[in-house]
Amino acid sequence: DTEVTQTPKHLVMGMTNKKSLKCEQHMGHRAMYWYKQKAKKPPELMFVYSYEKLSINESVPSRFSPECPNSSLLNLHLHALQPEDSALYLCASSQEVVLGGEGVTQFFGPGTRLTVL
Amino acid sequence: GEDVEQSLFLSVREGDSSVINCTYTDSSSTYLYWYKQEPGAGLQLLTYIFSNMDMKQDQRLTVLLNKKDKHLSLRIADTQTGDSAIYFCAESPNSGYSTLTFGKGTMLLVSP
Repeated sequence: DTEVTQTPKHLVMGMTNKKSLKCEQHMGHRAMYWYKQKAKKPPELMFVYSYEKLSINESVPSRFSPECPNSSLLNLHLHALQPEDSALYLCASSQEVVLGGEGVTQFFGPGTRLTVL
Repeated sequence: GEDVEQSLFLSVREGDSSVINCTYTDSSSTYLYWYKQEPGAGLQLLTYIFSNMDMKQDQRLTVLLNKKDKHLSLRIADTQTGDSAIYFCAESPNSGYSTLTFGKGTMLLVSP
């Protein structure tokens, strides 16, 4: 099973709302990632978790708050977003995050299409 | 710094071969990847190649790596309309955390 699942598929929220994106994998991977992708652009890395600890934060604004409750789950809590935050949010996972062979290969979920009004 | 370049658009006829090219700058890259993204969908891992290999074949897909020229290509044989998508080349550096550097993506349009 090489599946990463994400919910919801679509989300529309106002600038004062609080919402959460969820990501789940059951491949036993120990690294999980959040990416943001704008239309016709490549994904941009936001956060990396390794063994449930935040390893990389790519200077993401604090209105995005990641959480890794356990090794299979990754959440992204959203609060006071701006219209320019509208994008496709992708989750990915890999066996490891530090270099060590094929284990760094990342598998992506289908994404959550977020619209901020 | 790291940089990955791809041509932005490729148009082919159904049944022809498609070749999508990519160049990268980080000579210490360990793994190089090809991902496919259909409209509104996530990224699907197509194939990858380790930097000590020259070629990898997987059914209709052939990856060629010229490490001297830092050039990677993806050949799709017998291209089908279902292959229409954006194809991203990505590299994984040989230092620190293995984060991906993506190219801008090549849009492949397959016409009947």
